[in-house]
Amino acid sequence: KNQVEQSPQSLIILEGKNCTLQCNYTVSPFSNLRWYKQDTGRGPVSLTIMTFSENTKSNGRYTATLDADTKQSSLHITASQLSDSASYICVVSEMYSGGGADGLTFGKGTHLIIQP
Amino acid sequence: DAGITQSPRHKVTETGTPVTLRCHQTENHRYMYWYRQDPGHGLRLIHYSYGVKDTDKGEVSDGYSVSRSKTEDFLLTLESATSSQTSVYFCASTRDGRDQPQHFGDGTRLSIL
Repeated sequence: KNQVEQSPQSLIILEGKNCTLQCNYTVSPFSNLRWYKQDTGRGPVSLTIMTFSENTKSNGRYTATLDADTKQSSLHITASQLSDSASYICVVSEMYSGGGADGLTFGKGTHLIIQP
Repeated sequence: DAGITQSPRHKVTETGTPVTLRCHQTENHRYMYWYRQDPGHGLRLIHYSYGVKDTDKGEVSDGYSVSRSKTEDFLLTLESATSSQTSVYFCASTRDGRDQPQHFGDGTRLSIL
């Protein structure tokens, strides 16, 4: 069964510090991996999406890396701000020849709290 | 961002009653999805649609039905609500399928007593 495991479950850091969130997956065959940010009471918002050939992608202070060989991804947040407090969700898409719209496996998320 | 609105945003109802949640998007996206989000679980797919009147089941479809009579509207119905269906429900859409980032609504918090 396809799985996406995220660590840590929760993390508390001080404003201005950097942090790294991890995502390990077993989804195969792999199509792409995306990171979402979900603020409390809101829907997830896409941060990055990476295909097999991409090993890093940035979106402002967010940088995602992908190692398709070891099936690992990380999301690095630089110079954290209070507004970074949220849940971060890793989602992996399975590649197959059908045209269906399922085939996404969601991680349970990492809950990040930035303290002043 | 795709304009996706969900209604209602909050609902409390009783076991055994029918409930319909509405998702409305203004971006002319072909694909629409319904998910539920529960503590200890990632988002789980209930049903999805790949066009008007074209729908298919997801991972946790039992007890739910959907309808899509117009491109912009995707309805989720709980025919006879049970307490296990208490959850936060999210709608999402994409233009051309799952290989694009999904645009999510802000959810409906449903409590079934």
